[in-house]
Amino acid sequence: SAVISQKPSRDICQRGTSLTIQCQVDSQVTMMFWYRQQPGQSLTLIATANQGSEATYESGFVIDKFPISRPNLTFSTLTVSNMSPEDSSIYLCSVSEGFMNTEAFFGQGTRLTVV
Amino acid sequence: QQQVKQSPQSLIVQKGGISIINCAYENTAFDYFPWYQQFPGKGPALLIAIRPDVSEKKEGRFTISFNKSAKQFSLHIMDSQPGDSATYFCAAPANAGGTSYGKLTFGQGTILTVHP
Repeated sequence: SAVISQKPSRDICQRGTSLTIQCQVDSQVTMMFWYRQQPGQSLTLIATANQGSEATYESGFVIDKFPISRPNLTFSTLTVSNMSPEDSSIYLCSVSEGFMNTEAFFGQGTRLTVV
Repeated sequence: QQQVKQSPQSLIVQKGGISIINCAYENTAFDYFPWYQQFPGKGPALLIAIRPDVSEKKEGRFTISFNKSAKQFSLHIMDSQPGDSATYFCAAPANAGGTSYGKLTFGQGTILTVHP
């Protein structure tokens, strides 16, 4: 399986500011996804990061709030913009080879606290 | 995103016992059902997965039982150990067509505690 590194692992941010989270994979992967896990909750898919084009967002998530970049097959960033305390969550990067029903693997997550 | 309903929310088992976690899904087109294990401060790790052409899959102490007619699948942890204490998530494809390509929708999670 791919080794996925996320940076930062955790951060405490002031409300109104933005944080960019990086996801680096040790091999080229077809699919990259971003999830949010609110405290004590399940995982919710934010968007699919598409290489060289705009990300595909799930219902309830918008580009202005969560801009995503994917410049190549091993790297993606998620920015949480204009943060509020409600954005305090764990943000997780996930990758897969993109074949039918192939396994999906997760990074260790970025624990964000907004004060 | 399609829904997957997981139960129970929490489970306490004695060491050596059997842990059983259940999930129900809606979309009969789903064709891939993974289970993930998550320890505090870590990302989810793929534990075991099943496709609906089989009714059961076993890997070590972990078994998935699949009931296609009931649209349910379960994780069984045999001889549960304190090191199994974690949160477990079932998942299914997040695409309406039923095939995930890595994109998943998750159950609500089950916090498993195994007492020594």
